[in-house]
Amino acid sequence: SQKIEQNSEALNIQEGKTATLTCNYTNYSPAYLQWYRQDPGRGPVFLLLIRENEKEKRKERLKVTFDTTLKQSLFHITASQPADSATYLCALRTDSWGKLQFGAGTQVVVTP
Amino acid sequence: NAGVTQTPKFRILKIGQSMTLQCTQDMNHNYMYWYRQDPGMGLKLIYYSVGAGITDKGEVPNGYNVSRSTTEDFPLRLELAAPSQTSVYFCASSYSDRRKNTGELFFGEGSRLTVL
Repeated sequence: SQKIEQNSEALNIQEGKTATLTCNYTNYSPAYLQWYRQDPGRGPVFLLLIRENEKEKRKERLKVTFDTTLKQSLFHITASQPADSATYLCALRTDSWGKLQFGAGTQVVVTP
Repeated sequence: NAGVTQTPKFRILKIGQSMTLQCTQDMNHNYMYWYRQDPGMGLKLIYYSVGAGITDKGEVPNGYNVSRSTTEDFPLRLELAAPSQTSVYFCASSYSDRRKNTGELFFGEGSRLTVL
């Protein structure tokens, strides 16, 4: 299985700034990568999917990039708001049936 | 639609007891999964199912069993509870096929299990 690394330290950021999270993996590049948001005491919620042949994907204030050379995905939250405070998980497809392997997640704290 | 529903939300077990975590989905998804989440460790796949009557082991299956008799239900059975099974358990479902297997996962709200 892959080793997936997300920054374990919480990212503290001021409202209005851009938060950037990293997701690094060690082995083969997956066909796609997904990002989820998880609030305390809740299940993860799907945000975005990016395929290996896509460099960038956007959804409202969210942007994801995928660099198969660096084996890295970056997740950006622009114009961050306190409501964006949560833990963000990246997940990689691990087989042809679409099973996912998750990173441990990075907590984002947006202060007013 | 209710989505993915898990019960119970909380449970305390004694070592050696057995229990079943229930999971049902109303989205007609073919895939269902059970994950466990420990602090700082991320989600680990316990078992998954690609359709009724078909189940397979994930990354951490020891101590658990599953069944999938219907599309909607995917219960997780703990036979002899151990302290190492203290965790938060998430059930999830998705729609996937071999051609377009990019289904996003829909998660339940989780079941917090403590084994003492």
